[in-house]
Amino acid sequence: ETGVTQSPTHLIKTRGQQVTLRCSSQSGHNTVSWYQQALGQGPQFIFQYYREEENGRGNFPPRFSGLQFPNYSSELNVNALELDDSALYLCASSRGSLLSSYEQYFGPGTRLTVT
Amino acid sequence: AQSVTQLGSHVSVSEGALVLLRCNYSSSVPPYLFWYVQYPNQGLQLLLKYTSAATLVKGINGFEAEFKKSETSFHLTKPSAHMSDAAEYFCAVSESGANNLFFGTGTRLTVIP
Repeated sequence: ETGVTQSPTHLIKTRGQQVTLRCSSQSGHNTVSWYQQALGQGPQFIFQYYREEENGRGNFPPRFSGLQFPNYSSELNVNALELDDSALYLCASSRGSLLSSYEQYFGPGTRLTVT
Repeated sequence: AQSVTQLGSHVSVSEGALVLLRCNYSSSVPPYLFWYVQYPNQGLQLLLKYTSAATLVKGINGFEAEFKKSETSFHLTKPSAHMSDAAEYFCAVSESGANNLFFGTGTRLTVIP
């Protein structure tokens, strides 16, 4: 069984640019959640996609957007990059949306650096 | 509002010694509580979770945690530390019916040979 994979591993962008991060969910999983982990901090919930629809969002501005595809893989898009967007972006997939019932499996993350 | 406080950003223990990582939570409703471990350059791995069943929860790799409502705590313990336990540990809280986690700032565990 293939786990959660993310690409790219590392990325360097300039302030003001746009970036797309990708996540392939584990086989059999229909839910993908994205988290931002700044250096020295715990992960913060960005949003969740369940069956191709956004299903909850954390305290992030609209320039953070996402997509989920029919095969349940997902993209995180960030427009107008700011220096504070530098972080490790984690993707997690699960068989369902409720954490009480379904375990989230995390990918290794994409390290984004904004200069 | 939910929040998690992890006391001690760094904890060092000798190999074979007791591991105790502290977590206190704040939640307006009965919480679901989780401990995750993160090894360098890897994603988070679930160690254990409390979802209102037994208050003493056993997880993987010999870890366990006890939910104490009166103390709003969910401390993680392991009787005997191994070198392979060196990692970053995160406590997280969620609510029944919720789909997102609120994480603490993490505790880095160092195991001294």
